[in-house]
Amino acid sequence: SSELTQDPAVSVALGQTVTITCQGASLRRFYANWYQQKPGQAPLLVIYDKNNRPSGIPDRFSGSTSGYTASLTITGAQAEDEADYYCNSRDSSNDHRVVFGGGTKLTVL
Amino acid sequence: QGQVVQSGAEVAKPGASVKVPCKASGYTFTGYYIHWVRQAPGEGLEWMGWLNPNSGDTHYAQKFQGRVSMTRDTSISAAYMELSRLQSDDTAMYYCARDIHIVAAAVTTGAFDIWGQGTRVTVSS
Repeated sequence: SSELTQDPAVSVALGQTVTITCQGASLRRFYANWYQQKPGQAPLLVIYDKNNRPSGIPDRFSGSTSGYTASLTITGAQAEDEADYYCNSRDSSNDHRVVFGGGTKLTVL
Repeated sequence: QGQVVQSGAEVAKPGASVKVPCKASGYTFTGYYIHWVRQAPGEGLEWMGWLNPNSGDTHYAQKFQGRVSMTRDTSISAAYMELSRLQSDDTAMYYCARDIHIVAAAVTTGAFDIWGQGTRVTVSS
């Protein structure tokens, strides 16, 4: 299967902007989705199909893609944004399948 | 909006099977794919496969082919994931999740908008 690669950890100062990236061949063909997961909780969809926000997700979360890289940007990070973030997309080796990135731990300082 | 509800925990012995239920409510169960995702302790998310609750069609990650079965009971809006020949590294939280797109779209983009709370499966002798 295809792979999606994420940086293991990223930090941001409170109120600043942070970008979390996800790289992989499948992103040339397919949309990326982004999930936020806090300890002891199920994942929460924050961006889908590249740059759509489900209802209830603050507009400080946005997504984009360029080439093989998808990005999740948090503009004005809040303390409650500290979490693990995962990207996923369809698998370019079999587009009926889905693949997740390894996750990025975001720390808000 | 809808929800999917899972049982709390299961314990199974190595070599045995486990069948994890996922009960949907508040939306048309047959209208949306159900996916299964697992997460080993301290690890990331791993996609296992999807079920089309309308047709019963399934598609599994290559890693689980031959060992996983996803089924449904439309009369009670429930989906099931059965994993056989369990080993210790199958110890994980198992989530069911609803695809944001309707089955009529005939494709998943991997966007899962409703998640269960997870079922913790422990494989231990």
